Amino acid sequence: GAGVSQSPSNKVTEKGKDVELRCDPISGHTALYWYRQSLGQGLEFLIYFQGNSAPDKSGLPSDRFSAERTGGSVSTLTIQRTQQEDSAVYLCASSGTGTGVRLGYEQYFGPGTRLTVT
Amino acid sequence: RKEVEQDPGPFNVPEGATVAFNCTYSNSASQSFFWYRQDCRKEPKLLMSVYSSGNEDGRFTAQLNRASQYISLLIRDSKLSDSATYLCVVTSDKLIFGTGTRLQVFP
Repeated sequence: GAGVSQSPSNKVTEKGKDVELRCDPISGHTALYWYRQSLGQGLEFLIYFQGNSAPDKSGLPSDRFSAERTGGSVSTLTIQRTQQEDSAVYLCASSGTGTGVRLGYEQYFGPGTRLTVT
Repeated sequence: RKEVEQDPGPFNVPEGATVAFNCTYSNSASQSFFWYRQDCRKEPKLLMSVYSSGNEDGRFTAQLNRASQYISLLIRDSKLSDSATYLCVVTSDKLIFGTGTRLQVFP
């Protein structure tokens, strides 16, 4: 596609339910990142995938959060037993990076998924 | 102390003004630096990278001061369309975004 796409654009869920957020990166981009942004806050790094390497999960806030990337393309972020503090915009970004310089390239962001936990 | 700190603003300036933002970082091993722009309820987009020697792109100038651990963004001849939040990004083992500085340019 022309850019990074995310679905759904908006998700309202009840506390305690599980949610899945999807990210479709730019074709050919090897790196994929998930962030979340709460109102008035900066972007909080969650997880990073680079090619076939083990993902960097250092930003996941709890074991209720997990993510996978199938076939090096589409990624799904899953939040189990959602809590009200999980309410935020979840942003996905991809970039075309080379080995060893993964952090040095422009990131293209998707439009985000606005998650509201009631 | 936060890893990346920015003055949240807002900076309210008239059209044509020059405005500058600073961003401080705590990790001296940080390697790469960027400025992103985020419009209201939109995703961030790369504005410019910040090089050690400083770099300019039209009305925008970015500078890095490693000794004092800050980067700056200067906008000359401000336009109404420059109104946005400007996010500082610093990388070490991962990207760290600042909370952003809000700029509002008025007629």
